[in-house]
Amino acid sequence: GIQVEQSPPDLILQEGANSTLRCNFSDSVNNLQWFHQNPWGQLINLFYIPSGTKQNGRLSATTVATERYSLLYISSSQTTDSGVYFCAVPPGGYNKLIFGAGTRLAVHP
Amino acid sequence: GAGVSQTPSNKVTEKGKYVELRCDPISGHTALYWYRQSLGQGPEFLIYFQGTGAADDSGLPNDRFFAVRPEGSVSTLKIQRTERGDSAVYLCASSSQGGNGYTFGSGTRLTVV
Repeated sequence: GIQVEQSPPDLILQEGANSTLRCNFSDSVNNLQWFHQNPWGQLINLFYIPSGTKQNGRLSATTVATERYSLLYISSSQTTDSGVYFCAVPPGGYNKLIFGAGTRLAVHP
Repeated sequence: GAGVSQTPSNKVTEKGKYVELRCDPISGHTALYWYRQSLGQGPEFLIYFQGTGAADDSGLPNDRFFAVRPEGSVSTLKIQRTERGDSAVYLCASSSQGGNGYTFGSGTRLTVV
């Protein structure tokens, strides 16, 4: 089945720093989603981004479907950005999502 | 409702017992999903409903797990003869279009002792 790899697995930032999280996937997909899981466990959908670039405030995401990767950019990080970031893709046109193992981000004041 | 509601938020049960976990999706969302998340891992797909029917149950680990959505809204995940390995957070999500723009609930943390 499709493999989803995220890097780095762990990231520690000082408040105000910028970062880039990467998601590689092993097969062609027709959509990709980025999620943030906060320290209380709530999963929030950040982006639905099958291709191209989208921006939402300090966050932006770019997916290059032909090269099978997506990037999530966090600018001017805040402590509330802490948590785990997951990317997820649907295998072969199915509606279910296959999640990566996540990037654990800690932003310190 | 405004979001996806899952009850209970926590459930502790003894090995061998039967449990039911409930998910109330966003009103009007036809697609409903169950996922399971173990500590330190990403969510793993269990089952997907489109309306009342299970369109994909390929993620259910064995026949002890079963889920229903009789009226196309609320769903119940049922686990028989629970085992310690079933301990995890069970997440429910819904969407208005299959596969896009998921909204997750807060999950039910199941602990089998």
